[in-house]
Amino acid sequence: ETGVTQSPTHLIKTRGQQVTLRCSSQSGHNTVSWYQQALGQGPQFIFQYYREEENGRGNFPPRFSGLQFPNYSSELNVNALELDDSALYLCASSFRLAGNTGELFFGEGSRLTVL
Amino acid sequence: EDQVTQSPEALRLQEGESSSLNCSYTVSGLRGLFWYRQDPGKGPEFLFTLYSAGEEKEKERLKATLTKKESFLHITAPKPEDSATYLCAVQMGTGNQFYFGTGTSLTVIP
Repeated sequence: ETGVTQSPTHLIKTRGQQVTLRCSSQSGHNTVSWYQQALGQGPQFIFQYYREEENGRGNFPPRFSGLQFPNYSSELNVNALELDDSALYLCASSFRLAGNTGELFFGEGSRLTVL
Repeated sequence: EDQVTQSPEALRLQEGESSSLNCSYTVSGLRGLFWYRQDPGKGPEFLFTLYSAGEEKEKERLKATLTKKESFLHITAPKPEDSATYLCAVQMGTGNQFYFGTGTSLTVIP
């Protein structure tokens, strides 16, 4: 069984740039959620994708966007990067059944630094 | 208003010294409470799911319990490899998001 994989593991961007983070779901999972974790904080929900559509969004501006592909992999795009976007970005996959997200299984994260 | 509060923020234990971590929540319509372990610079690792008051789950030296307002993660005779941050999360109502606490950083000293 293949776990959740994320790329890249680390990246550095400058303010105003755009970034794309990628995630491959765990085998058998059909739902992908993205979370942002600032240093010393718990993960904060960005959004969830199910059946290639956004299915729930946290308190993040529209410059945070995403995609889910037919193979259940996903991308997180962030435009017009700000210094406060520096964080660990976590992708989590799960098996959604009867409207229930189920347990989240996380990847190792992508550490984004915005200068 | 914080919906999930974890205490203590940090805990140092001697190897073999048992203790408990607390997660209190102020949500309605709890669908599940989840415990995760997170090592520095890594993603959270799933430990337990609890769904209803009175439920208990165990895994090696860890035992999680749930009441109507809080959950405890009991660590029995911890070892240095149990050192990590332990995160609690709740899922509530009809939403899809998990609400995480800020975690308890556990250090077990040999």
